[in-house]
Amino acid sequence: NAGVMQNPRHLVRRRGQEARLRCSPMKGHSHVYWYRQLPEEGLKFMVYLQKENIIDESGMPKERFSAEFPKEGPSILRIQQVVRGDSAAYFCASSPPVPGGNTEAFFGQGTRLTVV
Amino acid sequence: QQQVKQSPQSLIVQKGGISIINCAYENTAFDYFPWYQQFPGKGPALLIAIRPDVSEKKEGRFTISFNKSAKQFSLHIMDSQPGDSATYFCAASRGFKTIFGAGTRLFVKA
Repeated sequence: NAGVMQNPRHLVRRRGQEARLRCSPMKGHSHVYWYRQLPEEGLKFMVYLQKENIIDESGMPKERFSAEFPKEGPSILRIQQVVRGDSAAYFCASSPPVPGGNTEAFFGQGTRLTVV
Repeated sequence: QQQVKQSPQSLIVQKGGISIINCAYENTAFDYFPWYQQFPGKGPALLIAIRPDVSEKKEGRFTISFNKSAKQFSLHIMDSQPGDSATYFCAASRGFKTIFGAGTRLFVKA
């Protein structure tokens, strides 16, 4: 059973370009979370998605950032018109559906975005 | 109210020593407190977790101590080994929402 797969591992974008980060959850997991990690900082929650639904996007910047988790295919975190401050490691995690309870979230290896 | 404060920022311990990392939270609604271990270039991995109805949980060399009244919890790594050198994150969660501490970089000297 493959773990959470994120690609690309490294992404370099010029200011103003778009960045697309992909996350394939573990088999059987229908919940996906995206986190951002700045150097020397912890992980900051961005968004929580279930298949075809955004459940909570309270950590997403209001502009330029969007996320989706379609019925088929990976979850995508999209950053439009990137700026230098978007440079960070973006981690995806997935978990199985556990009604009402906490469950371990498994993390991918992250995508390191560098905006030049 | 959503913060989780973690200390120290970095820690150097001799091999065989005890590593202690502390965390404090504010929101009493949190009901699950996991610790994650992260090696360079890797994603965080769950190490050990505790719920507030117990004061201590031990798994091998790793122990979580939990003080509900003080809203504090800590990770103790006994007999620390060079292979334990990593960044450790405490977290507090309720449902799907998990708030992470800023992390502690642990270096265990051989």
